[in-house]
Amino acid sequence: DIVMTQSPDSLAVSLGERATITCKSSQSILYSSNNKNYLAWYQQKPGQPPKLLIYWASTRESGVPDRFSGSGSGTDFTLTISSLQAEDVAVYYCQQYYIPTWTFGQGTKVAVK
Amino acid sequence: QVQLQESGPGLVKPSQTLSLTCTVTGDSISSGNYFWSWIRQPAGKGLEWIGRIYTSGTTSYTPSLTSRVTISLDTSKNQFSLTLRSVTAADTAVYYCARGDGNGWFFYWGQGTLVTVSS
Repeated sequence: DIVMTQSPDSLAVSLGERATITCKSSQSILYSSNNKNYLAWYQQKPGQPPKLLIYWASTRESGVPDRFSGSGSGTDFTLTISSLQAEDVAVYYCQQYYIPTWTFGQGTKVAVK
Repeated sequence: QVQLQESGPGLVKPSQTLSLTCTVTGDSISSGNYFWSWIRQPAGKGLEWIGRIYTSGTTSYTPSLTSRVTISLDTSKNQFSLTLRSVTAADTAVYYCARGDGNGWFFYWGQGTLVTVSS
């Protein structure tokens, strides 16, 4: 299995400020033949299923606000919320789909300070 | 609009078999380059991918569950199913079904169903 480790486990950010979540994979999830990183990010609010935000590490899903951005390559990735809004309070997960058995990070809880 | 809905018993006794069904509407499970997955989430914890099945019927499971789990398609009913054998309290969780797009991300999810393993 590829282990996905997120940090921090939780963070509190003031409204309008930047929130940064990191995700580290136990092996590279960059596929050299197409130069794509096999990583997705999700947002989950209480009582709801996860919502896809980003795939290919940096491609924003249609309809996702542009304050959400993904970056990174190889084993180290970042999800950034450029200006935190109240509706962004949630748990965020990364997921690798590089190898046939897919895995999620443990989640990062984002709250308002 | 694609929609997924999980159904099945909310309570299963230890050592018995958990069986859930996901009914898909707005799409045919036998068409397209998609895969159909089960994912679970214990209360207050993170997401665990259980496994997937392609429209071709090819399956893949997470190693920790592979000896106890089966995912199958019923194209006549536009459903796919999860069977988890010999359950214990550690299998208590909200179980989600989801459609995978492209190479491995999940856009469409069911609302989830809570399954409790208890005598």
